[in-house]
Amino acid sequence: AQSVTQLGSHVSVSEGALVLLRCNYSSSVPPYLFWYVQYPNQGLQLLLKYTSAATLVKGINGFEAEFKKSETSFHLTKPSAHMSDAAEYFCAVSVAGTALIFGKGTTLSVSS
Amino acid sequence: DGGITQSPKYLFRKEGQNVTLSCEQNLNHDAMYWYRQDPGQGLRLIYYSQIVNDFQKGDIAEGYSVSREKKESFPLTVTSAQKNPTAFYLCASSTLRGQGGGPQHFGDGTRLSIL
Repeated sequence: AQSVTQLGSHVSVSEGALVLLRCNYSSSVPPYLFWYVQYPNQGLQLLLKYTSAATLVKGINGFEAEFKKSETSFHLTKPSAHMSDAAEYFCAVSVAGTALIFGKGTTLSVSS
Repeated sequence: DGGITQSPKYLFRKEGQNVTLSCEQNLNHDAMYWYRQDPGQGLRLIYYSQIVNDFQKGDIAEGYSVSREKKESFPLTVTSAQKNPTAFYLCASSTLRGQGGGPQHFGDGTRLSIL
């Protein structure tokens, strides 16, 4: 069975600092991996997805993630945090091309 | 613009009452999904449908029912058998073909509360 673990339910950074949100997955077959962002009382917006084409995936709003098979990781990074990045972030895995399995989420806080 | 519309945004249920949450999409997506979101628990799959008139249970289907009579619509009914229905409900849709399947478009959610 597939699963996703997000390390750290809450991450705090200063504006301009590096953002690193951690995600580890478990899958017996090559996975599809996703990062989503959710602002309060809204749905989820796709940030980026890994589909085996390239291990470094660039997404929207300056975010990127690197697929590391040896570490079963798909961490999300952004070089410089902005106040507008404060939100909840979800990592998700899919292997059947259908429903996703989500991690429990990481809330990112950005201070000035 | 294409997208997913969920209504209502806020919904209140009395004890013993069934309520139906609406989800409509104009993206021409084959697959539709319902998730339940509780604080600190991420999103859990309730039901999904890959084709009209067919749907499958997800991880937490008990106390819920769905229908898929039209490609564009996938309503969710929260029945009186669901003893803890207070949550944020999210509908999603996706294509099935090509790489990277899975939900990629979400509605803005319906927040259900018990009176």
